[in-house]
Amino acid sequence: DGGITQSPKYLFRKEGQNVTLSCEQNLNHDAMYWYRQDPGQGLRLIYYSQIVNDFQKGDIAEGYSVSREKKESFPLTVTSAQKNPTAFYLCASTGLYNEQFFGPGTRLTVL
Amino acid sequence: AQKITQTQPGMFVQEKEAVTLDCTYDTSDPSYGLFWYKQPSSGEMIFLIYQGSYDQQNATEGRYSLNFQKARKSANLVISASQLGDSAMYFCAMREVKYNFNKFYFGSGTKLNVKP
Repeated sequence: DGGITQSPKYLFRKEGQNVTLSCEQNLNHDAMYWYRQDPGQGLRLIYYSQIVNDFQKGDIAEGYSVSREKKESFPLTVTSAQKNPTAFYLCASTGLYNEQFFGPGTRLTVL
Repeated sequence: AQKITQTQPGMFVQEKEAVTLDCTYDTSDPSYGLFWYKQPSSGEMIFLIYQGSYDQQNATEGRYSLNFQKARKSANLVISASQLGDSAMYFCAMREVKYNFNKFYFGSGTKLNVKP
């Protein structure tokens, strides 16, 4: 089955630690995105990538980093510079008709 | 200015009745797309329906229809014959193309509760 997988589902981080969230897709999509969702709010764009080895900052990129070494993979690192990282993180890709497909999400909690 | 506005933080509807979730958008681009997503408590975002800015007819997908009023910049979601499983957050989104990139804007969502 084609789709987007994210791991882990739940992640706990101590203050000062970097953590990496995984996002893999087998939909053969070029464009991939990372969003952050805070409770009761909509999605905000962190980073996006249109092709391999290229990525751009979104609206709230500070404290985050990404890589795109393979078409299928777009990992997100939450660095210690992100002051309030507790949130729900969603990875997405864009399909043929420009609709967004989403992964199941990772819930990050800072202890 | 907000790109997507959803003015109903929460809505209640009786099972089997129809409900309309409001969405207004702001863009100066002639070409854009409008989407509705459902987010159950599990967190996954489920694509429901799409309307292109040049589409003449309102989009429909099963029990979902999108009431597209271009002049008013309105893209309301209508759910007919509500079911208990429709209880979830609903997000309206708009796609614009900027520098050959599809950028999506999301509203703050409407929490729908379907009562038995």
